[in-house]
Amino acid sequence: EVQLVESGGGLVQPGGSLRLSCAASGFTFSSYWMHWVRQAPGKGLVWVSRINSDGSSTNYADSVKGRFTISRDNAKNTLYLQMNSLRAEDTAVYYCARAMTTVTTGWFDPWGQGTLVTVSS
Amino acid sequence: EIVLTQSPATLSLSPGERATLSCRASQSVSSYLAWYQQKPGQAPRLLIYDASNRATGIPARFSGSGSGTDFTLTISSLKPEDFAVYYCQHRSNWPPYTFGQGTKLEIK
Repeated sequence: EVQLVESGGGLVQPGGSLRLSCAASGFTFSSYWMHWVRQAPGKGLVWVSRINSDGSSTNYADSVKGRFTISRDNAKNTLYLQMNSLRAEDTAVYYCARAMTTVTTGWFDPWGQGTLVTVSS
Repeated sequence: EIVLTQSPATLSLSPGERATLSCRASQSVSSYLAWYQQKPGQAPRLLIYDASNRATGIPARFSGSGSGTDFTLTISSLKPEDFAVYYCQHRSNWPPYTFGQGTKLEIK
């Protein structure tokens, strides 16, 4: 069974840092693009970042560029999101998601269950 | 940046009825459009990709149509488990992915 399990969320003060992890299983992790998508409480979905299969190419939404870093460890089947200089507007559930196939960068299928990040003093 | 506008914001229907959800793009997106379903407290689930292709395991009552700027998600006969929020999504060169604001499908 294909599975993505996020961890690392929690409460952090403005300006603080947090690292999210996404453990993958049930598929050849090293063959797929991976993504982070977030959803503020009661709001819609917003794409945050993506990384290619070998980790050599990354992209970020303008709202997080320079503050967030996506990475992966294919030996550990794990995706990461290092979040620095956090702001209140970064408060959201963060989902990791896999590209639907090995030959496309998007559509997102499947998704993890999400991890909540709350930025507040 | 391409903006996706979904309508209506809320759709109230009864089980067994037909649901028609709309997604309009601010400029042509060809067929690069997907639909997702999200139930309360759950992650989104991919329903339709490339405008009209059902994702793996998605029941045949879900169908997608359209190209260019106007797209439709149709649920032919609503089941109780179909009441949820539905999002459309576009993929492009940059920004690579944008979502519509969502349509809430609620039980009448």
